[in-house]
Amino acid sequence: SQTIHQWPATLVQPVGSPLSLECTVEGTSNPNLYWYRQAAGRGLQLLFYSVGIGQISSEVPQNLSASRPQDRQFILSSKKLLLSDSGFYLCAWSPLKGTRGGSEQFFGPGTRLTVL
Amino acid sequence: GQNIDQPTEMTATEGAIVQINCTYQTSGFNGLFWYQQHAGEAPTFLSYNVLDGLEEKGRFSSFLSRSKGYSYLLLKELQMKDSASYLCVPLYNQGGKLIFGQGTELSVKP
Repeated sequence: SQTIHQWPATLVQPVGSPLSLECTVEGTSNPNLYWYRQAAGRGLQLLFYSVGIGQISSEVPQNLSASRPQDRQFILSSKKLLLSDSGFYLCAWSPLKGTRGGSEQFFGPGTRLTVL
Repeated sequence: GQNIDQPTEMTATEGAIVQINCTYQTSGFNGLFWYQQHAGEAPTFLSYNVLDGLEEKGRFSSFLSRSKGYSYLLLKELQMKDSASYLCVPLYNQGGKLIFGQGTELSVKP
């Protein structure tokens, strides 16, 4: 069965510090991978998605970046965090083609980031 | 945009039935997901509708009308643990990207 891991679970960082969040998927090959952010009381905002190694699409302009160095590894980074980067960061994966043509996404446990 | 419209909040009583409605933009529409998200946790998949009609899965059912751009999630025999946000998530011809709205915050009371 497939599993998705994210770490760390919680993180408190000062403004201006760097960030690296890691996500790995097990039990599948060539998944689509996604990074979302959810601010308190808000919906999920898609930040990046990747259909393959080294292929990253950015959805919103921001001071974050993403990389996919391996098939099942997705990394979210920042060189200098802003207060507005605080939120709940979720990694998700989907099969290249889901059941009945859909692409249901399966989420990791998330990382709660607080920037002070 | 995809103009997802669902109520912000709903309240229901334990043991009752609740229906959460959702409307969305039909242009480029492929199918619709419903996700459940408990506070502080990641969303979990509930259902996926492609064809018109009702799909039942235990206490939860999901309905879709493609022509009307309308879906609903029906929860029966409500339990306290059903208190959560319910996200109506349409899938469009965008390479598998899902558009998540704010969802409906359901509170189940004794």
